[in-house]
Amino acid sequence: DGGITQSPKYLFRKEGQNVTLSCEQNLNHDAMYWYRQDPGQGLRLIYYSQIVNDFQKGDIAEGYSVSREKKESFPLTVTSAQKNPTAFYLCASSIFPRRVTDEQYFGPGTRLTVT
Amino acid sequence: KQEVTQIPAALSVPEGENLVLNCSFTDSAIYNLQWFRQDPGKGLTSLLLIQSSQREQTSGRLNASLDKSSGRSTLYIAASQPGDSATYLCAVRALSNYQLIWGAGTKLIIKP
Repeated sequence: DGGITQSPKYLFRKEGQNVTLSCEQNLNHDAMYWYRQDPGQGLRLIYYSQIVNDFQKGDIAEGYSVSREKKESFPLTVTSAQKNPTAFYLCASSIFPRRVTDEQYFGPGTRLTVT
Repeated sequence: KQEVTQIPAALSVPEGENLVLNCSFTDSAIYNLQWFRQDPGKGLTSLLLIQSSQREQTSGRLNASLDKSSGRSTLYIAASQPGDSATYLCAVRALSNYQLIWGAGTKLIIKP
């Protein structure tokens, strides 16, 4: 059963703590993405990776970090430097972004609450 | 800078009606456009993808059109059902970096 898994579904942290969100895919996709979703706004790209051991900053990378050591995994760390970390975080993957028919497939999301 | 707008932000219609959701974008230099569905608290499901060279795509009761020259796409839903209630998002893939630029979505409620 192919797909993207994100864990945990809900995450609660105290302000000042770093937290890592997990994203795993078994679709054999080269590209993976992290988005942030806030109420009433479109998705905003945090980081993306088109190949193992390589990743690029998106529009709102400040306060976040990622790694891509394996094709299947793209964990996101929300650091204490992120000013407003409470949000819904979505991970996605796609085969090859430069292909005109490339579609992104999404995981179920992780809702992070920082107090 | 590419901007994507979806109006209205929310829409409520009786079951059985046909309806149209709108998506507009400011830069016609796009690679493709995708429509997604999001149920509350869940991830996104891709509904339709229209390549920049195409005018429309159909899947079941859904039909999406694309007019690049006017910067518009519509998602037509025929014979709406309560199960169609969700937020619908559109996204355009930029030619510059192949990343998706997102609209804020239209929250659709189908009343039984």
